[in-house]
Amino acid sequence: DAGVIQSPRHEVTEMGQEVTLRCKPISGHDYLFWYRQTMMRGLELLIYFNNNVPIDDSGMPEDRFSAKMPNASFSTLKIQPSEPRDSAVYFCASSLLAGNTGELFFGEGSRLTVL
Amino acid sequence: KQEVTQIPAALSVPEGENLVLNCSFTDSAIYNLQWFRQDPGKGLTSLLLIQSSQREQTSGRLNASLDKSSGRSTLYIAASQPGDSATYLCAVRGADKLIFGTGTRLQVFP
Repeated sequence: DAGVIQSPRHEVTEMGQEVTLRCKPISGHDYLFWYRQTMMRGLELLIYFNNNVPIDDSGMPEDRFSAKMPNASFSTLKIQPSEPRDSAVYFCASSLLAGNTGELFFGEGSRLTVL
Repeated sequence: KQEVTQIPAALSVPEGENLVLNCSFTDSAIYNLQWFRQDPGKGLTSLLLIQSSQREQTSGRLNASLDKSSGRSTLYIAASQPGDSATYLCAVRGADKLIFGTGTRLQVFP
């Protein structure tokens, strides 16, 4: 398996623009997580899905952030409009809670810079 | 609310030393605990996963222990090498969520 795949790896945009980050989880995994990492706050859980359904979005900072998972193999995290304080590395991770071990596998991350 | 703390925040040691990294959590109702490694500018690599029913896991020079009742886990690194230099994160999983600690930045110098 190719692992969790995220795109783009790097994104530089101007304040006010829409940003869309994409994630393809490991095939067969039923949980998908979006995290944000900054120097100040470390790794923060933004939202997670179980079987494509959003379970907890309490970590989403503002209404400017939205996430979708239209099917088991694809998820997006959208920021509209983007602001400089959104600059961070955004990670997607997937796992299979039951059966296997619940081990979490991370993608390489999308580094976002908002100017 | 689960809180995860790691001590020390940073560690610098000469090559060859045996190391202990600590992780503590406030809610013992966990499903499992996972240790990760993160290199600068990279993603997180899973090192060891300990289920709530287990006491320890080993992989090569790494050994992780779990004491659920006291809310503690330790990561033991034997005979450290410069290639072990990275940030080490522990994360505990409740019913669904995985909550991360603050990390320990390790530097092993030759």
